[in-house]
Amino acid sequence: ILNVEQSPQSLHVQEGDSTNFTCSFPSSNFYALHWYRWETAKSPEALFVMTLNGDEKKKGRISATLNTKEGYSYLYIKGSQPEDSATYLCAFPRDSGYSTLTFGKGTMLLVSP
Amino acid sequence: DAEITQSPRHKITETGRQVTLACHQTWNHNNMFWYRQDLGHGLRLIHYSYGVHDTNKGEVSDGYSVSRSNTEDLPLTLESAASSQTSVYFCASSEQGAYGYTFGSGTRLTVV
Repeated sequence: ILNVEQSPQSLHVQEGDSTNFTCSFPSSNFYALHWYRWETAKSPEALFVMTLNGDEKKKGRISATLNTKEGYSYLYIKGSQPEDSATYLCAFPRDSGYSTLTFGKGTMLLVSP
Repeated sequence: DAEITQSPRHKITETGRQVTLACHQTWNHNNMFWYRQDLGHGLRLIHYSYGVHDTNKGEVSDGYSVSRSNTEDLPLTLESAASSQTSVYFCASSEQGAYGYTFGSGTRLTVV
């Protein structure tokens, strides 16, 4: 079974703080790395799909970087807002078909006003 | 607008009963997936399909089955519901290749 590890498990920051969390994945046979945002009582929403070493993606105040050689990706949130409170999942394809994902357990972010 | 819908949103059933959870998408995606979400485990893959008449087992497929008779639907059947199958079930779909999933809103199933 593929191991996709996320750290920390949870994080509590104040509004305006910048924060980051980590996703670790097997560095051999890299296919793609996905990030999802999952708000309480809703369903996960795709943030980024990253496929190339050195990739950087950005969506508003959220950005992500990818290092396929060492097997990690960072998700950054600049100037956190209460509406950023959610669980952030990363996911890794099970095989070269790209499509079927194994998810990490997520990092739960709480941003206090 | 295209969407992916799951029904029912909530269901309570008795141990031993057969239960079917529906998933319908209008994205015209070939790929469809069923995951379950449990505390401490995150999302775990139950079954998946890459197209009509194609079905595959995921990591926690025991006690579940799916069928894919058209592009839009991938119903999940619990053959004989067990308390261990109490969970929140998510259906998702995607295009072929390195594309993100679109998730349904989930079905909360309680087996008593």
